[in-house]
Formats: sequence, structure tokens, C-alpha cells
Amino acid sequence: NAGVTQTPKFRILKIGQSMTLQCTQDMNHNYMYWYRQDPGMGLKLIYYSVGAGITDKGEVPNGYNVSRSTTEDFPLRLELAAPSQTSVYFCASSYGGEANFGPGTRLTVT
Amino acid sequence: EDKVVQSPLSLVVHEGDTVTLNCSYEVTNFRSLLWYKQEKKAPTFLFMLTSSGIEKKSGRLSSILDKKELFSILNITATQTGDSAVYLCAVGGGSNYKLTFGKGTLLTVNP
Repeated sequence: NAGVTQTPKFRILKIGQSMTLQCTQDMNHNYMYWYRQDPGMGLKLIYYSVGAGITDKGEVPNGYNVSRSTTEDFPLRLELAAPSQTSVYFCASSYGGEANFGPGTRLTVT
Repeated sequence: EDKVVQSPLSLVVHEGDTVTLNCSYEVTNFRSLLWYKQEKKAPTFLFMLTSSGIEKKSGRLSSILDKKELFSILNITATQTGDSAVYLCAVGGGSNYKLTFGKGTLLTVNP
């Protein structure tokens, strides 16, 4: 099993550009999460999902969108990138117990 | 709103010391409390606690949950430099298993 995979690993965006961060899991987990982690800080929940077709906002959803059309995939969309979105983004999945994390995407917006 | 508070935020110790990290929480419909270790990459899972008073142990690390007082502690005995990391506490709650993390405790173990 590959676990949770994320692409890309690194990305530099210009202000106002859009992009999608991809997340896929092969563990058949129902629950999936997107977090951002700023330097020296913990993980802040952006969006999460309890299953295909169902998504909920977390603590910091503004500027982001998600979709969950399949159990495996949970992409995160940034529509109009802003410098405040410079961060490391982690995707995670869970069966309802511990969460398994992907390797992260380091995003810089300049 | 769900809340997870970790203390201290940072800690510097010498090899061989014992440390105790704290995590308090407020969450709707508590389901589990999780501890993770993070070393400049993705967090790695340490423990999941669901019942009060039952200690979970793995080598020099142990953890316990108090659901009445709404807190957990993570103990590390005989610390080593390889224990230097950020330790994250998370709480899972609600029917949709929302996972909320604290800010973490940065542990530095000096030789």
C-alpha cells in the first residue's frame, strides 16, 4: 500500500494564480483531512470529509475549496493565491482512529 | 468550537532527563485523543487513547488520558537526542470525526 500520496511536493505560485493540490489514499478510509502548518505552529484544519460527496469546513477554510467525488481522492483547490497561503499542506486519512499523513506539499506564494 | 491546548510550548532538557508533556481539550462528543511526533516532515503516530486511566506504553514513551478532567500527558523517560521533535496532540470528536490539533510542544534534548 502506498498510503497517502500528495502531489506536488513543492510549488511556487504568483499572487492571483490558481492551483490544485492532489491527495490520494489507498486504504479505503472514509475520513480525509487537509491541514496547513505555518512555521513553528501546529496543524490547522482547512477542510475535512466523512465520505464521498460530503465535506465540512474546518478552522481556516477561506480561500480554499475541496471536493470528494471518490473515497480515494480529496483535492484541495486554491482559486486566487495570496501570500498568506504560503505554508506546508498536509493531507491525512483515517478509519476513525489514528490519521495517516501524506508527505506534504510546500507552497510558496510570491 | 473544539479546542486543544498543549503545554509547555517548548522545552529544553539534557539527555537522560524525564519529561512530561501536557494536553488539555474541549471537544463536542469526544471519541479519541492522539499523540504524534513530528521531525521536519509529516507527523508520525505514537498513541491513541479512548479510555480514562489506561496507560499506553511504547518503550520509553507512555501516555494516559483523564476524561473527567479533559487532559492527557505524554511521558518520555531517559530522553535521547533522537527524541528532539515537535510533539502534537489531537482530539477526534463528533459523528464526522473532526480531528483538531494543538500547537505542539517543541522538545529539544541536548547531549
